[in-house]
Amino acid sequence: AAGVIQSPRHLIKEKRETATLKCYPIPRHDTVYWYQQGPGQDPQFLISFYEKMQSDKGSIPDRFSAQQFSDYHSELNMSSLELGDSALYFCASSLGGGWSGGAEAFFGQGTRLTVV
Amino acid sequence: SQQGEEDPQALSIQEGENATMNCSYKTSINNLQWYRQNSGRGLVHLILIRSNEREKHSGRLRVTLDTSKKSSSLLITASRAADTASYFCATGANSKLTFGKGITLSVRP
Repeated sequence: AAGVIQSPRHLIKEKRETATLKCYPIPRHDTVYWYQQGPGQDPQFLISFYEKMQSDKGSIPDRFSAQQFSDYHSELNMSSLELGDSALYFCASSLGGGWSGGAEAFFGQGTRLTVV
Repeated sequence: SQQGEEDPQALSIQEGENATMNCSYKTSINNLQWYRQNSGRGLVHLILIRSNEREKHSGRLRVTLDTSKKSSSLLITASRAADTASYFCATGANSKLTFGKGITLSVRP
């Protein structure tokens, strides 16, 4: 069965550079979530989209932006990268817009971003 | 304050033993979910329990939820070396799933 695809799997950038992370949800899933997980930390919610509209926002820095496209894939754009941005970035997708009803979400394998 | 705090932070057991991990949370929830993560890899959904449920089973997993105490427990029976991983509880509300600190489970062969 198709899973959530994230690309690239690994990315090395220098400080002050920009990075774009991509997420391809499971077919027919209409909701995408982005999470950031620092070394030894729990995943932190960044932002979510439902039907191409932002549905919730967490601790996402102003230097980051994201969007969901007409084909439901999502991109997380990160500018002016800092050393502290080094982390594992996860994307998850689900059907139905939110966790309240107990929609199960499926996570991708993540993109490991290293800022040097 | 941290939503979904796990207890203990690390657990080491022998293969075949049962592993019990606890989680507490602070706010009202619609559901609570448990995830597993192998080192540096993706999060795998294990089980979801709704706020109106008290216990749920899935294979070797048993989850309980006590909304009056705002706590949940995950029991893994007859553990295997392959169960070695980090386990997270996460509380779901609206469009956000909030994770707590993970519990590192080591199962010795």
